[in-house]
Amino acid sequence: AAGVIQSPRHLIKEKRETATLKCYPIPRHDTVYWYQQGPGQDPQFLISFYEKMQSDKGSIPDRFSAQQFSDYHSELNMSSLELGDSALYFCASSHTELGGRETQYFGPGTRLLVL
Amino acid sequence: GESVGLHLPTLSVQEGDNSIINCAYSNSASDYFIWYKQESGKGPQFIIDIRSNMDKRQGQRVTVLLNKTVKHLSLQIAATQPGDSAVYFCAENEYGNKLVFGAGTILRVKS
Repeated sequence: AAGVIQSPRHLIKEKRETATLKCYPIPRHDTVYWYQQGPGQDPQFLISFYEKMQSDKGSIPDRFSAQQFSDYHSELNMSSLELGDSALYFCASSHTELGGRETQYFGPGTRLLVL
Repeated sequence: GESVGLHLPTLSVQEGDNSIINCAYSNSASDYFIWYKQESGKGPQFIIDIRSNMDKRQGQRVTVLLNKTVKHLSLQIAATQPGDSAVYFCAENEYGNKLVFGAGTILRVKS
């Protein structure tokens, strides 16, 4: 079965640079979520999109922005990178059902290292 | 979430034994709970879920128990195998929104 695709898988950037992470959800999934996971930490919710509209926002820095496109893929844009942004970034997708709960399926993640 | 940082609790079990991983959740309004397994360098993998109108749900070799009174979840893995070694996270889901993860538990299976 098709899974969530993330690119790139690894990224090395310098402080104050910008980075763009991409996420391609499972086919027919309409909701995308972004999470950040530091070493030894649990994943922290950043932001989510449903049908190309932001649906919820978590602890996402103002330096970060994201959007979901018409083909449902999503991009997380990170500017003025700081050392503390080094982490694993996961994208998850789900299919929204009215009155139901949506299981979120995670991608393999992008490992970002800021030097 | 409030994790224990680099010092995740660890559960070591002998291959073939049963494992029980516990989790406390924080939001009494949460009505959907999920267990994820995360292997090193990989994304969280869905294991099993349970809705708040249930107190037990069984899958293949796994059982999730929910105690809403004390806001507690447990994951039971029967006949634990080396391939079960990973970090296990419980997560609570508010309707249509984000997952809030609990602190992970490292499961180590000894052969």
